[in-house]
Amino acid sequence: ELKVEQNPLFLSMQEGKNYTIYCNYSTTSDRLYWYRQDPGKSLESLFVLLSNGAVKQEGRLMASLDTKARLSTLHITAAVHDLSATYFCAVEGGSNYKLTFGKGTLLTVNP
Amino acid sequence: EPEVTQTPSHQVTQMGQEVILRCVPISNHLYFYWYRQILGQKVEFLVSFYNNEISEKSEIFDDQFSVERPDGSNFTLKIRSTKLEDSAMYFCASSEAPGVYNEQFFGPGTRLTVL
Repeated sequence: ELKVEQNPLFLSMQEGKNYTIYCNYSTTSDRLYWYRQDPGKSLESLFVLLSNGAVKQEGRLMASLDTKARLSTLHITAAVHDLSATYFCAVEGGSNYKLTFGKGTLLTVNP
Repeated sequence: EPEVTQTPSHQVTQMGQEVILRCVPISNHLYFYWYRQILGQKVEFLVSFYNNEISEKSEIFDDQFSVERPDGSNFTLKIRSTKLEDSAMYFCASSEAPGVYNEQFFGPGTRLTVL
């Protein structure tokens, strides 16, 4: 059974600082997703990482994937308050492409 | 831009009642999914549906749950006799044909409250 672990689960940071969220998974997968969720809202797709060594950047967020280590990172650069949300990683696995989610990281960016 | 839609956005029901949650996937997509998220918890896979049949289901998806694609556009999740613990946000997702790049696109969700 595929397991996905995120850490930290809670992250409080000050504006302007950098930090990294980690996502480890237990079995081989070729696709990893990062989503953002605001309270009471749906899942907003941030990145889809398809291959080993993939790196994608959008604004202050950068995601990378190391399939050999079964590790993805979401790096936040110079955080701003608008980035406050819960961030989930999800790993695609099995013949039906279902997603297995991590528990999420609740990010709070303080002014 | 095409999107997955879900109705209703919020459903309140009494324990023991049947509910049907509706989803309209993106029109050329062939794989359909339901996920749920209990408040404050992670998103969990319920069921996948392809070629008019269930292709995979989780342990959560017991006999109380069923899915249907009644008319070629809607994709429904039925809970026959709701329990308090069914209270959650239910997300529908769809993706293109298997074997190609097929990101899953999520709908806005239906919040189900069982009283």
